[in-house]
Amino acid sequence: EAQVTQNPRYLITVTGKKLTVTCSQNMNHEYMSWYRQDPGLGLRQIYYSMNVEVTDKGDVPEGYKVSRKEKRNFPLILESPSPNQTSLYFCASRPDRGRWYEQYFGPGTRLTVT
Amino acid sequence: QKEVEQDPGPLSVPEGAIVSLNCTYSNSAFQYFMWYRQYSRKGPELLMYTYSSGNKEDGRFTAQVDKSSKYISLFIRDSQPSDSATYLCAMKSITADNFNKFYFGSGTKLNVKP
Repeated sequence: EAQVTQNPRYLITVTGKKLTVTCSQNMNHEYMSWYRQDPGLGLRQIYYSMNVEVTDKGDVPEGYKVSRKEKRNFPLILESPSPNQTSLYFCASRPDRGRWYEQYFGPGTRLTVT
Repeated sequence: QKEVEQDPGPLSVPEGAIVSLNCTYSNSAFQYFMWYRQYSRKGPELLMYTYSSGNKEDGRFTAQVDKSSKYISLFIRDSQPSDSATYLCAMKSITADNFNKFYFGSGTKLNVKP
């Protein structure tokens, strides 16, 4: 089954404790993105990657890091989480440039930072 | 001012009603338009996409774009309880430096009552 998977689905952590949210897709997609979803603000893009070792900032990259060492994986790293990073996070992938409209989302990771 | 504005609702309608969901945008570089549907506790899924002004139909759904007014709409005919979800509009820029970025509205929550 074609899908984007994220782990963990739920995470409660404390300020300053480094964490990683994993994302994997099995569709051989070139493009992958991370979003956060907050009430009233909608989905905002954090980082995106056009291919292995190629990443770029979205609209809200502060406090986040990403890496793309393999085509299928795109982990999101919070090196020193803060309470304002409490949010619902989505990973997404899409095929090549010609199919600009397709984007497949994972099930989401709900993060709480206390 | 957000680049994409969307009324958050909630919007409650009886089964069989025609639903109209709308977004406005301010960036004239936005030329690609999408509608996503998001069920509770799920990731968004692509519903419709278009890049032309005018109407595009797909079954009970019609996407409408008016680039001169910077206004897009999604119409749902013969609405069903299974249409109850949050609907997100999304846009992409044609500029090369922003081509890989997606800009989302905050979402409109729709409830279709049996």
